[in-house]
Amino acid sequence: QSVLTQPPSASGTPGQRVTISCSGSSSNIGSKTVTWYQHLPGTAPKLLIYSNNQRPSGVPDRFSGSKSGTSASLAISGLQSEDEADYYCAAWDDSLNAVVFGGGTRLTVL
Amino acid sequence: EVQLVESGGGLVQPGGSLRLSCAASGFTFSSYCMSWVRQAPGKGLEWVANMKEDGSEKYNVDSVKGRFTISRDNAKNSLYLQMNSLRVEDTAVYYCARDYYDSGRPTPGKYWGQGTLVIVSS
Repeated sequence: QSVLTQPPSASGTPGQRVTISCSGSSSNIGSKTVTWYQHLPGTAPKLLIYSNNQRPSGVPDRFSGSKSGTSASLAISGLQSEDEADYYCAAWDDSLNAVVFGGGTRLTVL
Repeated sequence: EVQLVESGGGLVQPGGSLRLSCAASGFTFSSYCMSWVRQAPGKGLEWVANMKEDGSEKYNVDSVKGRFTISRDNAKNSLYLQMNSLRVEDTAVYYCARDYYDSGRPTPGKYWGQGTLVIVSS
C-alpha cells in the first residue's frame, strides 16, 4: 500500500486529454511539492514535472501538473502513442522522513 | 553531460550481502544530495535512501533500516549502497538518482542511472 494513492490505470485515444490523480496527506503533498515521473520498462525514469507544475527543459508543454491541498494531478493533452508508459507521483513526507511514491498509473493509448 | 552509472548488482542468496556503486560524472558531485530508488519485478518505484551532499544527513525507508547503509565518497564522485541481510523481497532494479531540493527537502530529479539488477534467491 503506497503512501500516495494513484489510480492503477488510465487510458485515452490519440489527441485526447487525460488526467492522473495523486492523493496524499498533510505530511506530504499538503506541505511539500510534488514531482511526476514517466517510466518505460527497462529504462531510467524520466522527470516530467517538478515543484508541482514546473517542466524541465525538453518536456513538451502537453504535460502539466497542478496541486490543491493534499492532492495533485498530472494532465496530458494531445495524447500520443509514445505517451504510453507508467506515471508516478512523489513527494517528501515529513512524518516518515522519507520520499514517498505513488503506486504508479499505467497509461494506455487506445 | 551528466552520467550516473550503477554497478555491483547480481545474484545473492537470502541473508547475503552486496555493495552497489554509482559512478557520477559531468557535474559537481559534492554539491548534490543523491538517492537510491528501486523497482521490484511487477511493482512500482520505491525510494530506498538518500544522503546529503556532504554526507552529514541520510535517510532511508523503514523496510531497509538496520540492513542497508548509504554512503558516498565525494573525492571519487561515487555513491554506494551496502546491502546486508538481503531478503527475497529486496529483488529489484536499483537506480541511483541526483536529487533536487524543494520545500527544503530532496527528491530524485532529472538525472538517473540505468539501474543494476539485484536478485536475491536460493
